[in-house]
Amino acid sequence: KQEVTQIPAALSVPEGENLVLNCSFTDSAIYNLQWFRQDPGKGLTSLLLIQSSQREQTSGRLNASLDKSSGRSTLYIAASQPGDSATYLCAVWDTDKLIFGTGTRLQVFP
Amino acid sequence: SAVISQKPSRDICQRGTSLTIQCQVDSQVTMMFWYRQQPGQSLTLIATANQGSEATYESGFVIDKFPISRPNLTFSTLTVSNMSPEDSSIYLCSVERGSNYGYTFGSGTRLTVV
Repeated sequence: KQEVTQIPAALSVPEGENLVLNCSFTDSAIYNLQWFRQDPGKGLTSLLLIQSSQREQTSGRLNASLDKSSGRSTLYIAASQPGDSATYLCAVWDTDKLIFGTGTRLQVFP
Repeated sequence: SAVISQKPSRDICQRGTSLTIQCQVDSQVTMMFWYRQQPGQSLTLIATANQGSEATYESGFVIDKFPISRPNLTFSTLTVSNMSPEDSSIYLCSVERGSNYGYTFGSGTRLTVV
């Protein structure tokens, strides 16, 4: 059974710092991996999708990498801003559904 | 990527009543997914809804408690039946548009049962 874990569970940093959020999964036989952002009480916004044949994806200040053999993905946020404050979720594509990680709650203060 | 309209966005309900949540997608999709997010927790899949067939429920979720309809390729409803305070959660619908676009989620329904 696939299990997805995210470290750290919570993170509080000053504005401007570069951040690394970690996601690990137990079964390397995944199709794709997707990172989401969730603001409090809201739905999910897709940030990056890494297909199984890819190693990384970039969008603006965000960069996500995928190492299937080691069961890991990282989300790198450059020059963090208060507007980045949210919960970040990684999700692995299982055969016919998404399996979500436990989430990292990020707070960026001015 | 797909645009999903979900409503209501939030509701406060009395225990013992039922609430129906609607999701409308702006294009046809084969499967729609319903998730629950309990307070402070991550998302858990409730069921997968295919048009023209009964929904497939995950372990721990039953049709009597969470009946789902899927009348066409752009619309689905989830009903939370005979509610108790333990049903207080955010409920989200989702669709998958292939490996190039990924999964898209509705804006969620924040349910509080009192």
